[in-house]
Amino acid sequence: DAGITQSPRYKITETGRQVTLMCHQTWSHSYMFWYRQDLGHGLRLIYYSAAADITDKGEVPDGYVVSRSKTENFPLTLESATRSQTSVYFCASSERQESYEQYFGPGTRLTVT
Amino acid sequence: GENVEQHPSTLSVQEGDSAVIKCTYSDSASNYFPWYKQELGKRPQLIIDIRSNVGEKKDQRIAVTLNKTAKHFSLHITETQPEDSAVYFCAASRSTSGTYKYIFGTGTRLKVLA
Repeated sequence: DAGITQSPRYKITETGRQVTLMCHQTWSHSYMFWYRQDLGHGLRLIYYSAAADITDKGEVPDGYVVSRSKTENFPLTLESATRSQTSVYFCASSERQESYEQYFGPGTRLTVT
Repeated sequence: GENVEQHPSTLSVQEGDSAVIKCTYSDSASNYFPWYKQELGKRPQLIIDIRSNVGEKKDQRIAVTLNKTAKHFSLHITETQPEDSAVYFCAASRSTSGTYKYIFGTGTRLKVLA
């Protein structure tokens, strides 16, 4: 579990501000994912990445930007935060083909005021 | 788009009784179905999974069954214990560009009453 970390763990920001959530994994997993978790919606995929410099949209990508310049890092940026983006954000990673299991980070609780 | 429905949203059982959580998926191409357990304030963790070429899989007190024709799958927990209390999520997925993107259900909060 210590192999995938997220920072910060808690963040309060104001509407309109840019905020970046960090995700780092030490397993050299090829695939990384960002989810948001909201009551009544479960976990919804925002973006995912198959490798460095390869990213693709998930179910709810609007308002978010991702990048992956290095295999181990997958930051998520909210370009102009809105109250509807108040949520718990989970990063996850998985290894190509050997296992379909996704390993989740500890989460970041983001509040937009 | 793809959708996974999960029922019930909450479930209370007496310790020692069985618990069953059911999920229905819409994408007939889905071929991998994991179940995750999330304890309060913690991250989701995989507890069992099943692939579409298998009808049932067991791991000690937990089992998962899959009915591809009806497009539904279920989690069965026997001899429930207080530590089974958590939120359980099902997911359906199929391979896209070499990985499996999950579509999660909305979760079931299981309470095991001592």
